[in-house]
Amino acid sequence: AQSVTQPDIHITVSEGASLELRCNYSYGATPYLFWYVQSPGQGLQLLLKYFSGDTLVQGIKGFEAEFKRSQSSFNLRKPSVHWSDAAEYFCAVGSSGSARQLTFGSGTQLTVLP
Amino acid sequence: NAGVTQTPKFQVLKTGQSMTLQCAQDMNHNSMYWYRQDPGMGLRLIYYSASEGTTDKGEVPNGYNVSRLNKREFSLRLESAAPSQTSVYFCASTAGYEQYFGPGTRLTVT
Repeated sequence: AQSVTQPDIHITVSEGASLELRCNYSYGATPYLFWYVQSPGQGLQLLLKYFSGDTLVQGIKGFEAEFKRSQSSFNLRKPSVHWSDAAEYFCAVGSSGSARQLTFGSGTQLTVLP
Repeated sequence: NAGVTQTPKFQVLKTGQSMTLQCAQDMNHNSMYWYRQDPGMGLRLIYYSASEGTTDKGEVPNGYNVSRLNKREFSLRLESAAPSQTSVYFCASTAGYEQYFGPGTRLTVT
């Protein structure tokens, strides 16, 4: 069965600092990987996705993520964090087949200090 | 183009009451999903519908039923609500692999 681990429950960074959120996955085949962001009281918005090809993927809002098969990781990065990036971030792995189910990590809450 | 819509946004139920959460999408997606979100647990899949006319259980289906009314609509029913079903419920849809989410329904069962 597939699974996702986000080891950091809560991260605090200063505005303008760099950010890396960790994600490790377990999946038997080539994974489909996603990062979603959730602002308070809102639904989930897709930041970026990896299906195949270039292991460094670019997303919206200046985020990027790198797929490392050898480490079963898909870490999210941003060079300079803005106060508006404060939110909860979820990593997810998708299954192939007709159901196209997603399995989510437990999330990382990001606080940005002024 | 509204994307995925959910009604209601908030609901308070007493233990034992029933209710139906509604979800609709206007993106012509084949697959639709219901999740619940609880603190520290991410999103857990309750039920999904891979295509119109089919539904299947997800990770946490107990206490819920679903209906895929047509390609656009996918409802979630709680027949006899329990305090353990207090949660935020999200509906999602997809035509490929990335899922698009509704704004959620915050349900409290007292």
